[in-house]
Amino acid sequence: DVQLVQSAAEVKKPGESLTISCEASGYMFSNYWIAWVRQLPGKGPEWMGVIYPGDSDTRYRSSFEGQVTFSADKSINTAYLQWRSLEASDSAMYYCARTRDANGYSFLAFWGQGTALTVSS
Amino acid sequence: EIVLTQSPATLSLSPGETATLSCRASQGVTRYLAWYQQKPGQAPRLLIYDASNRATGIPARFSGSGSGTDFTLTINSLEPEDFAVYYCQQRSNSVTFGQGTKLE
Repeated sequence: DVQLVQSAAEVKKPGESLTISCEASGYMFSNYWIAWVRQLPGKGPEWMGVIYPGDSDTRYRSSFEGQVTFSADKSINTAYLQWRSLEASDSAMYYCARTRDANGYSFLAFWGQGTALTVSS
Repeated sequence: EIVLTQSPATLSLSPGETATLSCRASQGVTRYLAWYQQKPGQAPRLLIYDASNRATGIPARFSGSGSGTDFTLTINSLEPEDFAVYYCQQRSNSVTFGQGTKLE
């Protein structure tokens, strides 16, 4: 079975850096795009962008370009989402999700359980 | 960016009834539209893709229709576990989600 397991909830201060992870299993990690999705409380999901673990090709939604960094380590089937300097407005639930097919802009068939991020002084 | 507008914001029904949810795109997305279900404290779950194809394991009471700019998710004979928030998503031009319909 396809599974995506995300790292635990985080509480950070503004200006701190952070990397959260998404470990995949049950399929060929290199062959499908991993998307990152932000969800603010009571709001719809926001697609942040995708990474293709096979060659680390990345595509960012324009509003997230330069604000976050996607990376992946094929040797341990894990994708990462990184912030260099957190802001309070980054507080949200973050999901990783695997695309349904080999297209980067695709539907999201499998989801992680989410990582809750709280940024507060 | 393609904006997806879902209606109604809230739909109040009872088990056994039929739910009809709408998603309208600001420009045509052909049939590149999906529907997701999200329950409190859970990640979204893919129900329908390419407007009308049920994802693996999704019951037949869920059906999708539409093309271009207007899409519908129909849930026949509502079960207690169907009460949740539903989102549409397009992949025709990048990826965007609607703001959701709460089925209560």
